Amino acid sequence: DTAVSQTPKYLVTQMGNDKSIKCEQNLGHDTMYWYKQDSKKFLKIMFSYNNKELIINETVPNRFSPKSPDKAHLNLHINSLELGDSAVYFCASTNFDTQYFGPGTRLTVL
Amino acid sequence: GENVGLHLPTLSVQEGDNSIINCAYSNSASDYFIWYKQESGKGPQFIIDIRSNMDKRQGQRVTVLLNKTVKHLSLQIAATQPGDSAVYFCAENNNQGGKLIFGQGTELSVKP
Repeated sequence: DTAVSQTPKYLVTQMGNDKSIKCEQNLGHDTMYWYKQDSKKFLKIMFSYNNKELIINETVPNRFSPKSPDKAHLNLHINSLELGDSAVYFCASTNFDTQYFGPGTRLTVL
Repeated sequence: GENVGLHLPTLSVQEGDNSIINCAYSNSASDYFIWYKQESGKGPQFIIDIRSNMDKRQGQRVTVLLNKTVKHLSLQIAATQPGDSAVYFCAENNNQGGKLIFGQGTELSVKP
């Protein structure tokens, strides 16, 4: 009965590759987010979607492209991966204030 | 600029003692604050929240205090247990489209 789920949990890839991370929430929330957590545990918002519409884009390189096929899903596609993209990526969802997070995807770029 | 920070990056307490984790924020417009707990290898988990029209809120073994005058937030954990060991984050909602701004995080270590 996972509320917010992400796949894959681990992703190891070479520089220059293109990869996707998927997120699904079964909470019936309208708003979903992507966060990046660096090696020092700092959490920073990347994108927010409300009912499939982009509402927050935090000056993330355009190699990152979120896609929301429906309000229960928010996927993150990353082109031309760079070493600095290595981090843990978290998906979250909310109906109003409190955000509920997924388990994270640890991306390692070699 | 916007900033939510923590005074102590690490905190070590004895099992059974009370823990206090502090957080400073700089945006006076923020009206909603949340504490999250993140265990190793997991996502942040909601612990407790507080709105700006309150100065104290209690949960099970946890209490959040909000001092708007000095823009300070604290999380108190009573009778700390080994299972409380984790990184704790404060976050503020500054009314910008539901955007949460997270603090640095404090790693709590509970010694048996």
